[in-house]
Amino acid sequence: GDSVTQTEGLVTLTEGLPVMLNCTYQTIYSNPFLFWYVQHLNESPRLLLKSFTDNKRTEHQGFHATLHKSSSSFHLQKSSAQLSDSALYYCALSPTNSAGNKLTFGIGTRVLVRP
Amino acid sequence: GGIITQTPKFLIGQEGQKLTLKCQQNFNHDTMYWYRQDSGKGLRLIYYSITENDLQKGDLSEGYDASREKKSSFSLTVTSAQKNEMAVFLCASSIGGGRGTGQLYFGEGSKLTVL
Repeated sequence: GDSVTQTEGLVTLTEGLPVMLNCTYQTIYSNPFLFWYVQHLNESPRLLLKSFTDNKRTEHQGFHATLHKSSSSFHLQKSSAQLSDSALYYCALSPTNSAGNKLTFGIGTRVLVRP
Repeated sequence: GGIITQTPKFLIGQEGQKLTLKCQQNFNHDTMYWYRQDSGKGLRLIYYSITENDLQKGDLSEGYDASREKKSSFSLTVTSAQKNEMAVFLCASSIGGGRGTGQLYFGEGSKLTVL
């Protein structure tokens, strides 16, 4: 079945420094949809970024990611971390946009940004 | 916009008890989901439903039942609560039938504690 592997555990970094969270995936489908969801403390997950176009950068709220089908990757980056970026980040995969849209999530990466 | 409402927000049960969680959405979305969230294990799919009266098992369906009574509601039953179990259950919905990208909209979660 489908699988998503992302940077494990806790990532601690200093405000103002760059952020990069790794995400790789496995699927038999050739046109998957990839997502990053963010979950702040005591909130539900919400969509941060999504893409299904190969080699095209997608951006939102200062974060960006590029889907690279050649390496099955969708890494999340931000040039300068803010304290408010402290949250749990999930990479997720949907194999197609057909009925069901069953998403497979990675285990999540917790980010803590310190002053 | 729409909203997903989960009830109850907090549920305390006894070992062996049957416990039911309810979810309502007013997005008019076709597909609804129940995920279980555990630290270090990500979001794991329990059941999903692509239309009224449809049920599809996810990766974690054992020990659970689900029911899609109507398009707007999806309930989840823990058939026999396990002692010392603690988890957060997240309901979600998405546009289905090939018209969406698989983006999920989540409820605020229901936290289960079994004594």
